[in-house]
Amino acid sequence: EADIYQTPRYLVIGTGKKITLECSQTMGHDKMYWYQQDPGMELHLIHYSYGVNSTEKGDLSSESTVSRIRTEHFPLTLESARPSHTSQYLCASSASGIGGYTFGSGTRLTVV
Amino acid sequence: DQQVKQNSPSLSVQEGRISILNCDYTNSMFDYFLWYKKYPAEGPTFLISISSIKDKNEDGRFTVFLNKSAKHLSLHIVPSQPGDSAVYFCAADGYNTDKLIFGTGTRLQVFP
Repeated sequence: EADIYQTPRYLVIGTGKKITLECSQTMGHDKMYWYQQDPGMELHLIHYSYGVNSTEKGDLSSESTVSRIRTEHFPLTLESARPSHTSQYLCASSASGIGGYTFGSGTRLTVV
Repeated sequence: DQQVKQNSPSLSVQEGRISILNCDYTNSMFDYFLWYKKYPAEGPTFLISISSIKDKNEDGRFTVFLNKSAKHLSLHIVPSQPGDSAVYFCAADGYNTDKLIFGTGTRLQVFP
């Protein structure tokens, strides 16, 4: 079944730790996105990719980095987590052309 | 500057009645609009969309109306069911941008 997967679902981590949030999709979509959402707020685009070896920063400045070495995989890395990084991180993918996104279940990150 | 606005953070409706969720946008270049539904601790799921060449799109209990001159769209749910209780996000897509801009969401509660 075609889908998009995010791991872990929940993560509590100490300040200063390096973390990688995983996102994989089985739909063969070229385009992938990372959104950040705080409770009661809109989804903010922090990174996107239109294909392998293509990554761009989104509208919201983020200290995280991403990579796109394979079409299906779009991991997000925080080199040194801080409490201000506490948020929900949502990964999405879409086929080329106008259309909706398919979202993963999200990772709720808490940095203590 | 927020380009997609959902001015009602919450809405409470009795089961069987109509739910109307509103969304306003500022960018006249947006030409495709979508509604997503989000349950807590899950990613958003696509609900319904509308192209700017239309003023109405219907899918079962869900109808989206678009008023381009007013830069306003609305989602009607008839009849509302308790399972519709969730946060609803409006999103807009500009021509050839492939990036969705989301509103802040409206929390809908349908009570018996």
